[in-house]
Amino acid sequence: KNEVEQSPQNLTAQEGEFITINCSYSVGISALHWLQQHPGGGIVSLFMLSSGKKKHGRLIATINIQEKHSSLHITASHPRDSAVYICAVNYGGSQGNLIFGKGTKLSVKP
Amino acid sequence: EAQVTQNPRYLITVTGKKLTVTCSQNMNHEYMSWYRQDPGLGLRQIYYSMNVEVTDKGDVPEGYKVSRKEKRNFPLILESPSPNQTSLYFCASSFLSVGTEQYFGPGTRLTVT
Repeated sequence: KNEVEQSPQNLTAQEGEFITINCSYSVGISALHWLQQHPGGGIVSLFMLSSGKKKHGRLIATINIQEKHSSLHITASHPRDSAVYICAVNYGGSQGNLIFGKGTKLSVKP
Repeated sequence: EAQVTQNPRYLITVTGKKLTVTCSQNMNHEYMSWYRQDPGLGLRQIYYSMNVEVTDKGDVPEGYKVSRKEKRNFPLILESPSPNQTSLYFCASSFLSVGTEQYFGPGTRLTVT
């Protein structure tokens, strides 16, 4: 079964710390998504990756296709970054099918 | 404003009473999808549509139906809801199925008693 594993499950950080969230998947993919779910429940897309690295403000996402691994980094973390971060993949064999990790709950303390 | 809308946002219903959750997008997206989110299980895909009149099962399609008669609308139908369909439901759309950003609706919290 195609799976997406995220680590850690929960993460508490102090404001200003550098944060890394990891995502591993089991077979070849066509795209990987990083999503953010706010405490109120809304979901927004942060990044879509098929190779390399992307940066948006304090957020950086990388993907290593050979190792089947992606990381989401947050530099200079802030309490407003507190949210659940979700990794999701489009597996190569079924383009419309999206498989999700269970999410990483991040809490940034002031 | 570019958005995905869902209605209703909250619904409490009884077992067996047919219901429809509507989803509409105003971005001319080809791809639309339904997900459910449950504690401990995360998000799981129910059905998706690559374009008008093209739909396919996700990972948890049992008990649900969908249709895509128009590009902008993708309703989720529960013909005979059961308590195990109590969940938080999200609709999403994107320009293409792969490699493009997904836009999520605000969610519909459904309780089946």
